[in-house]
Amino acid sequence: NAGVTQTPKFQVLKTGQSMTLQCAQDMNHEYMSWYRQDPGMGLRLIHYSVGAGITDQGEVPNGYNVSRSTTEDFPLRLLSAAPSQTSVYFCASRGTGGRSTEAFFGQGTRLTVV
Amino acid sequence: DQQVKQNSPSLSVQEGRISILNCDYTNSMFDYFLWYKKYPAEGPTFLISISSIKDKNEDGRFTVFLNKSAKHLSLHIVPSQPGDSAVYFCAAITGTASKLTFGTGTRLQVTL
Repeated sequence: NAGVTQTPKFQVLKTGQSMTLQCAQDMNHEYMSWYRQDPGMGLRLIHYSVGAGITDQGEVPNGYNVSRSTTEDFPLRLLSAAPSQTSVYFCASRGTGGRSTEAFFGQGTRLTVV
Repeated sequence: DQQVKQNSPSLSVQEGRISILNCDYTNSMFDYFLWYKKYPAEGPTFLISISSIKDKNEDGRFTVFLNKSAKHLSLHIVPSQPGDSAVYFCAAITGTASKLTFGTGTRLQVTL
């Protein structure tokens, strides 16, 4: 059981480049989210989805796009990378069993924008 | 606007002693709280949770206390072990529970 798989694990981009961070889960979870972790800022929600075809913005959505065409996949797109987007990105998924349902996280993608 | 705050960025505790990690929140609509643990180069993993209708939840060495009137929760680890050294995040849920709001994290170091 793979859980939540994120690719790539590391990435270096030049300012202005675009890229897609991949996230896939095999637990048939409805809820999926993207977070970024920055020193002193904790985990901040970028975008989330409550099911295929449904996405919404989190706290820090600017510069990022998402889509949810299937239950399994929730890619995060950086449209035009900026140094401020240098961060560690985590994808998470949760089932719909209520508040006590555990969220599972991927291992993270460390992105550097130069 | 940081709705969940962990005011201590780091904490150092001796092995065998109690570790107390604190978390404050501002949104009175939060009704479920969770603690996650994160090791370097790994994603966060769930540790323990508490509903707002309770004031305490215990799981082995880990106990979470909730003071709703103060909008404050704490995680107690007794006894602390070197393997507990990690970053701890508190998180909160409200409404449809579709998203978690995380705090800034506290780095715990358990020394020998």
